[in-house]
Amino acid sequence: EAQVTQNPRYLITVTGKKLTVTCSQNMNHEYMSWYRQDPGLGLRQIYYSMNVEVTDKGDVPEGYKVSRKEKRNFPLILESPSPNQTSLYFCASSLSALAGGTIYFGPGTRLTVT
Amino acid sequence: DQQVKQNSPSLSVQEGRISILNCDYTNSMFDYFLWYKKYPAEGPTFLISISSIKDKNEDGRFTVFLNKSAKHLSLHIVPSQPGDSAVYFCAASDQYSSASKIIFGSGTRLSIRP
Repeated sequence: EAQVTQNPRYLITVTGKKLTVTCSQNMNHEYMSWYRQDPGLGLRQIYYSMNVEVTDKGDVPEGYKVSRKEKRNFPLILESPSPNQTSLYFCASSLSALAGGTIYFGPGTRLTVT
Repeated sequence: DQQVKQNSPSLSVQEGRISILNCDYTNSMFDYFLWYKKYPAEGPTFLISISSIKDKNEDGRFTVFLNKSAKHLSLHIVPSQPGDSAVYFCAASDQYSSASKIIFGSGTRLSIRP
């Protein structure tokens, strides 16, 4: 089944404790990205990647890191999480890096930072 | 400044009636518009799209209307069914730009009551 998977689905952590949210897609998509969803703000892009070893900042990159060492994986790293990073996170991928393509989203990771 | 606005955070419609979800945009360069649907504990999924060369696109019970002069689009669901209860995100872009330039609205939570 073609899909985007994320792990963990739920995470509660404390301020400053490094964490990684994994993301993997099995559709051989070139484009991958991370979004966060917050009430009243919709989906905001954190980082995106056009292909292996090519990553760039989205609209809200502060406090996050990403890497794209393999085509299928795009982990999101929070080196020192803070409470304002409490949010619902979505990984996404698309066959095309152009905006006309369909974006496929993962199921989401709900992160709480205390 | 939000380039894509969904001014109604929520909407309640009786089963069998028409649901109309609205979306406004400010960037005249946008020429490709999408609607995504999101159920709780799942990621958004693509629902329907429209290019600016059209003013209407229909897919079963779902129709999207585009009014370029008013920079407004709407999603009509007829007839509304209980399974349509979800959050709907409007999105817009220049379809030949990068997928990273897709802008999402804040979402409208649609509830279909019996």
